[in-house]
Amino acid sequence: GAVVSQHPSWVICKSGTSVKIECRSLDFQATTMFWYRQFPKQSLMLMATSNEGSKATYEQGVEKDKFLINHASLTLSTLTVTSAHPEDSSFYICSAGGLAGTYNEQFFGPGTRLTVL
Amino acid sequence: ELKVEQNPLFLSMQEGKNYTIYCNYSTTSDRLYWYRQDPGKSLESLFVLLSNGAVKQEGRLMASLDTKARLSTLHITAAVHDLSATYFCAVALTGTASKLTFGTGTRLQVTL
Repeated sequence: GAVVSQHPSWVICKSGTSVKIECRSLDFQATTMFWYRQFPKQSLMLMATSNEGSKATYEQGVEKDKFLINHASLTLSTLTVTSAHPEDSSFYICSAGGLAGTYNEQFFGPGTRLTVL
Repeated sequence: ELKVEQNPLFLSMQEGKNYTIYCNYSTTSDRLYWYRQDPGKSLESLFVLLSNGAVKQEGRLMASLDTKARLSTLHITAAVHDLSATYFCAVALTGTASKLTFGTGTRLQVTL
């Protein structure tokens, strides 16, 4: 149980285009989903927390208009990187929480590697 | 602001040796997690520590938590090459739903 998928696993795009990344909890309903980004050889940095049916809460320094997060259902959250630029190239990881009996543990997706040319 | 520090940042050790990774955090927490990350991959959950004095073991890894000292340790016993990876601790603030703050990570390299 507690499987989280992400799609795509990698994406290459041109500067100025938008990219959407999907995060799905496959076998449980996720009341909360989280989006992280990770630069090479660095730790994970939380970008935003999203709850189903409500607006995402962004961490300080994360541009809301650039990183659009939608949590339309209890099993799906999407992150859209708008007008991507090379500095947005990173490893994006989502996680899902809310599985009963897991002490609010987060379950992580496999990640999406974004490269912006 | 919660800060989580790990040391060492990089650890090279020989197979068969023992070593400990330390995770210090700055404010009260009621949950601490340890994760493993292989290159190019996402996180694999290793341990969840929920209370002071908690100790959990899986294979050659053992994690402990001292909430009074705000310290967790990940002890490696008789390291093998397959343990080479980056290890992260992550801390949840008391009272927050499940928001995590990650440590800096410890890159472990086990040499033959």
